Amino acid sequence: GNSVTQMEGPVTLSEEAFLTINCTYTATGYPSLFWYVQYPGEGLQLLLKATKADDKGSNKGFEATYRKETTSFHLEKGSVQVSDSAVYFCALSRDGGSQGNLIFGKGTKLSVKP
Amino acid sequence: DTAVSQTPKYLVTQMGNDKSIKCEQNLGHDTMYWYKQDSKKFLKIMFSYNNKELIINETVPNRFSPKSPDKAHLNLHINSLELGDSAVYFCASGGSGYNEQFFGPGTRLTVL
Repeated sequence: GNSVTQMEGPVTLSEEAFLTINCTYTATGYPSLFWYVQYPGEGLQLLLKATKADDKGSNKGFEATYRKETTSFHLEKGSVQVSDSAVYFCALSRDGGSQGNLIFGKGTKLSVKP
Repeated sequence: DTAVSQTPKYLVTQMGNDKSIKCEQNLGHDTMYWYKQDSKKFLKIMFSYNNKELIINETVPNRFSPKSPDKAHLNLHINSLELGDSAVYFCASGGSGYNEQFFGPGTRLTVL
């Protein structure tokens, strides 16, 4: 079945450090891939997305490239800020015309220290 | 304007009670969803409705009953609440296919 695996946290970084959060997926067909972010006490917000192989999603300095050959969608940011502290979720849309419900990874908590 | 809104934000109740959570979206989307987030932050789809019609019903106890009076609203009614129902419930809306989904702020349900 379809699934998403992301690196377990928590991840603790100093401000301006480089961030990578690994995400790999298993899916039939050609899913779309997403990164969502959840700030403390809030709902999920879409961070970026990619809908086909080799697409790169980017937003707020974050990037992720849809790699079909490695079934990966790793999230990267060159220089993190304290305000990036949050839980990050990798997700895919389920294939098969099922109205696009999302399958999420378990989330990775990021803490950025000043 | 809030795109996806849920009420209440917090809900504390006793075991065995019946409660409802309401969700409304003003984005004009055809599809709405309910997700459950457990204490470890794991998110899982519960239900999906498209144009007031149930599309997805994952392995959820039949104590949970979604109701969609129109395509802008998807309410969640829970009968005979149990301790294990304590979680954060998120409503979302989106287009069909592979479009992104927009999430509400969540309802934190605590069953005592």
